[in-house]
Amino acid sequence: EAQVTQNPRYLITVTGKKLTVTCSQNMNHEYMSWYRQDPGLGLRQIYYSMNVEVTDKGDVPEGYKVSRKEKRNFPLILESPSPNQTSLYFCASKPGQGVAYNSPLHFGNGTRLTVT
Amino acid sequence: ILNVEQSPQSLHVQEGDSTNFTCSFPSSNFYALHWYRWETAKSPEALFVMTLNGDEKKKGRISATLNTKEGYSYLYIKGSQPEDSATYLCAFGGYQKVTFGTGTKLQVIP
Repeated sequence: EAQVTQNPRYLITVTGKKLTVTCSQNMNHEYMSWYRQDPGLGLRQIYYSMNVEVTDKGDVPEGYKVSRKEKRNFPLILESPSPNQTSLYFCASKPGQGVAYNSPLHFGNGTRLTVT
Repeated sequence: ILNVEQSPQSLHVQEGDSTNFTCSFPSSNFYALHWYRWETAKSPEALFVMTLNGDEKKKGRISATLNTKEGYSYLYIKGSQPEDSATYLCAFGGYQKVTFGTGTKLQVIP
């Protein structure tokens, strides 16, 4: 089954304790992206990747890191989480070659992160 | 940061009513406009991706139109059903980034 898999689904952590949220897709998509969703603010893009070893900042990248060493994986790293990073996070992917912008995003199931 | 606006923020309609909502986006450097349906406790699912001015797409009772010259898209739901209750997101699909609006939350009352 074609899917984007995020883990974990729920995570409660404390300020400053490094964490990684994993994202993996099995559709051979070039494009992958991370979003956070906060009430009243909609989905905001954190980082995106057009292909392996190619990553770029979205609209709210502060406090996050990403890497794209393999095509299928795009982990989101919080080196020193803070309470303002408490949010619902989504990973998404889509084909990224040729006319990629007209392909829809496929979303993972989301990760609800709470930082205390 | 691109400004993608959706209106209204929320609405309640009676079962059987038809409804529509609006997405406004920058008319310059246009590549694509996406619509997604997002049910509570699930992840967003794509409805349509439109690229050409004047595009019209339809999926069952849901349809969408696109005006790239003036920078807006409409989503229509004909004969709303309770299962249509969800948040409807539009997104401006740029060459590299996909920027979302804040969504329209639809509640269909049986």
